[in-house]
Amino acid sequence: KNQVEQSPQSLIILEGKNCTLQCNYTVSPFSNLRWYKQDTGRGPVSLTIMTFSENTKSNGRYTATLDADTKQSSLHITASQLSDSASYICVVSVYGNNRLAFGKGNQVVVIP
Amino acid sequence: DAGITQSPRYKITETGRQVTLMCHQTWSHSYMFWYRQDLGHGLRLIYYSAAADITDKGEVPDGYVVSRSKTENFPLTLESATRSQTSVYFCASPDRDTGELFFGEGSRLTVL
Repeated sequence: KNQVEQSPQSLIILEGKNCTLQCNYTVSPFSNLRWYKQDTGRGPVSLTIMTFSENTKSNGRYTATLDADTKQSSLHITASQLSDSASYICVVSVYGNNRLAFGKGNQVVVIP
Repeated sequence: DAGITQSPRYKITETGRQVTLMCHQTWSHSYMFWYRQDLGHGLRLIYYSAAADITDKGEVPDGYVVSRSKTENFPLTLESATRSQTSVYFCASPDRDTGELFFGEGSRLTVL
């Protein structure tokens, strides 16, 4: 079964600090990996999308990495802001059938 | 501005009632998806549609019905609502070129 596991489940960080979220997957065959940010009460919004050949991709203070060999990805948030408080969802696309495997999300709370 | 709109945003109903959640997209994308999001679970696919008049079951289709008579609309119907269908429902559609998945703002349904 295609699975996506995220850790930690939840995280509290001080404003201005950095944090890293982890995503491990067993999806095969792999097409791409996406990170989404979901604010409370809103729909998920895309942060990054990476294909097999991409190791890292940035979007402002968000940097995602991908190791397709070990099937691991991380999302690094630099100099966190209160607006970074959200759930971050790792999504892996299965090659060839338009199916997506969703992680349960990392809940991040940034406190002043 | 182009996008996906869902209605209603909030709905309270009673067990056994029929409920229809609406989804409208302005891009003329081929694919559209319905997901439900519950605590402790990642987003789970209910139904999807590859084009007008083409729909298929996802991971958790029982108790739901969909139709796609027009490309831009993809309504989800709960024919006889049950308490277990209390959830937040998201409609989504991918960009045909980038594959980026765009979500609506969600419809929060409570079944009493």
